[in-house]
Amino acid sequence: NAGVTQTPKFRVLKTGQSMTLLCAQDMNHEYMYWYRQDPGMGLRLIHYSVGEGTTAKGEVPDGYNVSRLKKQNFLLGLESAAPSQTSVYFCASSYVLAGGKNIQYFGAGTRLSVL
Amino acid sequence: AQRVTQPEKLLSVFKGAPVELKCNYSYSGSPELFWYVQYSRQRLQLLLRHISRESIKGFTADLNKGETSFHLKKPFAQEEDSAMYYCAPPNRLAFGKGNQVVVIP
Repeated sequence: NAGVTQTPKFRVLKTGQSMTLLCAQDMNHEYMYWYRQDPGMGLRLIHYSVGEGTTAKGEVPDGYNVSRLKKQNFLLGLESAAPSQTSVYFCASSYVLAGGKNIQYFGAGTRLSVL
Repeated sequence: AQRVTQPEKLLSVFKGAPVELKCNYSYSGSPELFWYVQYSRQRLQLLLRHISRESIKGFTADLNKGETSFHLKKPFAQEEDSAMYYCAPPNRLAFGKGNQVVVIP
C-alpha cells in the first residue's frame, strides 16, 4: 500500500494563477481532509469529505475548492492564487473506528509558494 | 464543539530532562484524544491514543477529566524526540496549534 500520496510535492505559482493539488489514498478510507500548515498557526482544516461525492467546509475554506468524484481521490483547487496561500498543504484520510473515532493517515505534503 | 488548545508553542529541553506537552480540551461527550507527531520534513503520524493506555517511544498521555487535559509526557527526552506534536480531538476537525519540541544535546 502506498498510503496517502500527494502530487505535486513542490510548486511555485504567480499571483492569479490556478492549480490543482491531487490527493490519492489506497486504503479505501471514507474520510479525506485537506489542511494547511503555517508557522505558529498549526494545522488548519480547509475542506473535508465524509464520502464520495460529498464535501464540507473546514476552518479556512475561502479561496479553495475541492472535489471528491472518486472515493480514492480528493482534489484541492486554487482558482486564483494569492501570496497568503503560500503554505504547506497536507492531505489526510481516515477510516472510522467504532464509536465514531478515527485515526488519520497523512500525505507527505505539498509545499506551495505564491509570488 | 470539539476543540483542543496547546498552550506553549515552543518547548526546549535538555537531553535526559523530562518533557511535558499540555493539551486542554473542550468537548461534550466521552473524550478520546490523540497525539500526532511530525518529525522534520516527514509526514504527520499517530503517536498514541489515550484509550490504548500504552507507552509509545517512551511517551505516555493521561486523560484527566477533572482538568479536561490530555498531557503528553516523557521522563527522559532524547534528541530524536525533536519534532512538532499535535493534540487532536476525536473528530479531527480542529487540531491544536502544535508544540515545537527541541531537545538540546
